[in-house]
Amino acid sequence: DAGVTQSPTHLIKTRGQQVTLRCSPKSGHDTVSWYQQALGQGPQFIFQYYEEEERQRGNFPDRFSGHQFPNYSSELNVNALLLGDSALYLCASSLPGTGGAGEQYFGPGTRLTVT
Amino acid sequence: AQTVTQSQPEMSVQEAETVTLSCTYDTSESDYYLFWYKQPPSRQMILVIRQEAYKQQNATENRFSVNFQKAAKSFSLKISDSQLGDAAMYFCAYRSPGAGSYQLTFGKGTKLSVIP
Repeated sequence: DAGVTQSPTHLIKTRGQQVTLRCSPKSGHDTVSWYQQALGQGPQFIFQYYEEEERQRGNFPDRFSGHQFPNYSSELNVNALLLGDSALYLCASSLPGTGGAGEQYFGPGTRLTVT
Repeated sequence: AQTVTQSQPEMSVQEAETVTLSCTYDTSESDYYLFWYKQPPSRQMILVIRQEAYKQQNATENRFSVNFQKAAKSFSLKISDSQLGDAAMYFCAYRSPGAGSYQLTFGKGTKLSVIP
């Protein structure tokens, strides 16, 4: 049973460009959350997708947008990249109907470097 | 807004010894969930242990246990019989209960080194 997968593993972009990161949830999971982890920091919540809609959003600008597909996979898009967007981007999936104490399973992340 | 504070940026422990990692949080909610996650160099976050705030009994998972002090808003992680594979970043996280609150709020982490 494959866990959460993310692609690509590493990515280098230039300021002002746009980037798309991809996530496939663990089998049987329908909810996907995205987190940004800057170097030396804990992850920060970007947003969560459920039933192809954004269900909750953290304190991130509109340059950060997402999408969820009918097969529950998800994309994170970042427009007009800034140097400060350089970070590890983590995707997490969870089981249907599990709020509260329900476990979020994390992927290995995509390391984005903006030059 | 909830905040999570981990005051120990780095800790070290001798193999087979016991170490305690500290975490405090700030919230006005009476019910919530707390987690400890481990992030090894492979970068994949792994859930170590969870605690529901309404449960007075401290959670345990094999060599990992917590000391949950609700009044003090403290949630420390004790690792017994430390092993080389325990070396990693450890993050404390908070989650509100109920509909509409799904995000995890993380602390900045503690880097644990295990000395052979």
